[in-house]
Amino acid sequence: GAGVSQSPSNKVTEKGKDVELRCDPISGHTALYWYRQRLGQGLEFLIYFQGNSAPDKSGLPSDRFSAERTGESVSTLTIQRTQQEDSAVYLCASSSQRGAGELFFGEGSRLTVL
Amino acid sequence: KNQVEQSPQSLIILEGKNCTLQCNYTVSPFSNLRWYKQDTGRGPVSLTIMTFSENTKSNGRYTATLDADTKQSSLHITASQLSDSASYICVVSEGLTGGGNKLTFGTGTQLKVEL
Repeated sequence: GAGVSQSPSNKVTEKGKDVELRCDPISGHTALYWYRQRLGQGLEFLIYFQGNSAPDKSGLPSDRFSAERTGESVSTLTIQRTQQEDSAVYLCASSSQRGAGELFFGEGSRLTVL
Repeated sequence: KNQVEQSPQSLIILEGKNCTLQCNYTVSPFSNLRWYKQDTGRGPVSLTIMTFSENTKSNGRYTATLDADTKQSSLHITASQLSDSASYICVVSEGLTGGGNKLTFGTGTQLKVEL
C-alpha cells in the first residue's frame, strides 16, 4: 500500500485476554518501530526492527509484550494477559533507514482493556 | 540521559495569528531534529527534518529553526488556520556508534486555533 497500515483500528478486550496488533509497513522500508501513546501523553518507544531482527527491544515494558516481523514486512505486536494500564494507542512507523530517514506513521491501534 | 523538552505544553491562539513553539534537547551526539504534527486520533506526520548544518527549513506556513550550539529549535506557524489545531512533536535523532540513529520524542505542544 501507499502508507503504513495498522489493524485493528480499535480493540476492546477484557483484562487477562491476549491481543495481537498488526502493522503493514511501506513496501521496501527496512526499519519498523512500535510506539505506545497513552491518553494525553507523548510517544513511548517499544521496539525497533531492522529487517526481521529486533536489535533494540529496550522499550518493551514487561515480558507480557512481544513482537515479531516476517518477510521484512508485516509485524505483529502481542500483549499477553492484558492489564488496564495497557490501554493506549499503539503506533507503528516505518523508515527506509533507522533514525536518519523520514518516519512514516500508521494511524494506530487503540486498545482499551476493561 | 537524552531528553527533549517542549514548551509551552499547550497554547490557544486566534485564527490568523502567528505562534512559535519551542524545543530544547540534550541529545548527543546529534544527528537530526524533526517536527511532527499529530491530529487528534491520527498518527504523526512529518513537517520538517533538519541536520546539524541547517539553521532553518520551511514547509508552507511552517518554519523550523535550529541552533545546534544552544541545542534549541523552534517551530513558527504563520497565519494560523483552524486545521493547525493539533499536537506538535519535536523529535531528536542521536547518532549511534557503529551507525544508525536513535530517536528521542518530546511530549508535544497541544495547539488550539480558535475563531
